[in-house]
Amino acid sequence: QKEVEQNSGPLSVPEGAIASLNCTYSDRGSQSFFWYRQYSGKSPELIMSIYSNGDQEDGRFTAQLNKASQYVSLLIRDSQPSDSATYLCAVENRDDKIIFGKGTRLHILP
Amino acid sequence: DARVTQTPRHKVTEMGQEVTMRCQPILGHNTVFWYRQTMMQGLELLAYFRNRAPLDDSGMPKDRFSAEMPDATLATLKIQPSEPRDSAVYFCASGATVEAFFGQGTRLTVV
Repeated sequence: QKEVEQNSGPLSVPEGAIASLNCTYSDRGSQSFFWYRQYSGKSPELIMSIYSNGDQEDGRFTAQLNKASQYVSLLIRDSQPSDSATYLCAVENRDDKIIFGKGTRLHILP
Repeated sequence: DARVTQTPRHKVTEMGQEVTMRCQPILGHNTVFWYRQTMMQGLELLAYFRNRAPLDDSGMPKDRFSAEMPDATLATLKIQPSEPRDSAVYFCASGATVEAFFGQGTRLTVV
């Protein structure tokens, strides 16, 4: 079982709609959870961090965490073409390692 | 504008040659990570340091890879000898708490 799992996509969403990205993790001792955005040929950019169960909102982005289900999600409201990228879920496990999923490619359709 | 700086940005080398990649973490950050990214494997953690001490390098092929932090402003990743399967983008990231901020990466091609 991989430590952090994501659907590779591509996930196609019409412009203006809500994009929903999901991630599961295996280490129940994990405490910190992150979403990174990576444009093609660029480095990962941190967009959201979440540490406790529930929702964390920042502008059009909402991160959701459910530790009992070992599940993290990212919602992007009012999706824009500029949101088209690969979204990487990352988890800090009990050994303080930040482990990444392979990412979900998101394509916003104009 | 604080950022992680990596050099070189691109490196093409012949199989068997030594490769050294350098990283300058953000000033004040005490944690440094080295990752390798390929299409097949995604982002793999190779090694990480806290306060310049290596905490884990279990992700690195020990026979050919080595990572060091000679001082707080410099982290290095060496491959000797390099092999074609080492071709990838190598990222350094640094953090002050639990978050990690990435450099622009070194794209390594071994021919």
